[in-house]
Amino acid sequence: QVQLVQSGAEVKKPGASVKVSCKASGYNFNVYYMHWVRQAPGQGLEWMGRINPNGGGTNYAQKFQGRVTMTRDTSITTAYMELSRLTSDDTAVYYCARAFDSSGWCWFDPWGQGTLVTVSS
Amino acid sequence: QSALTQPASVSGSPGQSITISCTGSSSDVGGYIYVSWYQQHPGKAPKLMIFEVSNRPSGVSNRFSGSKSGNTASLTISGLQAEDEADYYCSSYRSSSTLVFGTGTKVTVL
Repeated sequence: QVQLVQSGAEVKKPGASVKVSCKASGYNFNVYYMHWVRQAPGQGLEWMGRINPNGGGTNYAQKFQGRVTMTRDTSITTAYMELSRLTSDDTAVYYCARAFDSSGWCWFDPWGQGTLVTVSS
Repeated sequence: QSALTQPASVSGSPGQSITISCTGSSSDVGGYIYVSWYQQHPGKAPKLMIFEVSNRPSGVSNRFSGSKSGNTASLTISGLQAEDEADYYCSSYRSSSTLVFGTGTKVTVL
């Protein structure tokens, strides 16, 4: 079945970087955009950006420009999201989600299980 | 990057219908068909309920329906059930290759 499995929880110090992985299975990884969305404790969903596994092209939310890098390794059908210069405001659950429609902007299904990133000194 | 506006909470009794609004602008909701709705239970990942304004993925109950008028999209849940109690988020493509989520709505089944 179509599945996204993310890496485990991370604890980082302020100023550090974190890299979260998202292993895809059950479909042609190269065909569908992968998005990254985060959710701070008790807060709503926040879009971070997306990557086209076919070629690696990216679109990032303006808020994260210069601080986020999305990459992929097609040989192991895995997408990555790296966020640098972490602060306590980056404490959140980070999700990957496949965009199943042709535009790559809609129909997020499935989602990964989420990765909790805690930033604390 | 401002979020789309949703009511903070909506409630209804079992069997009733409720509607959640999602208000944006002509640069997002009003200008594109790429509006989706997601259901999120506590501690779980979001689940797609509606995509492209009014389309339901297979497996989603037909009690859920979506629509759009101008810059406002809506999600209607008919025949409200206890299991529908959750947070709901809309999302929309926004011009200049970005995506924006709504502020989220907590649905309570009385």
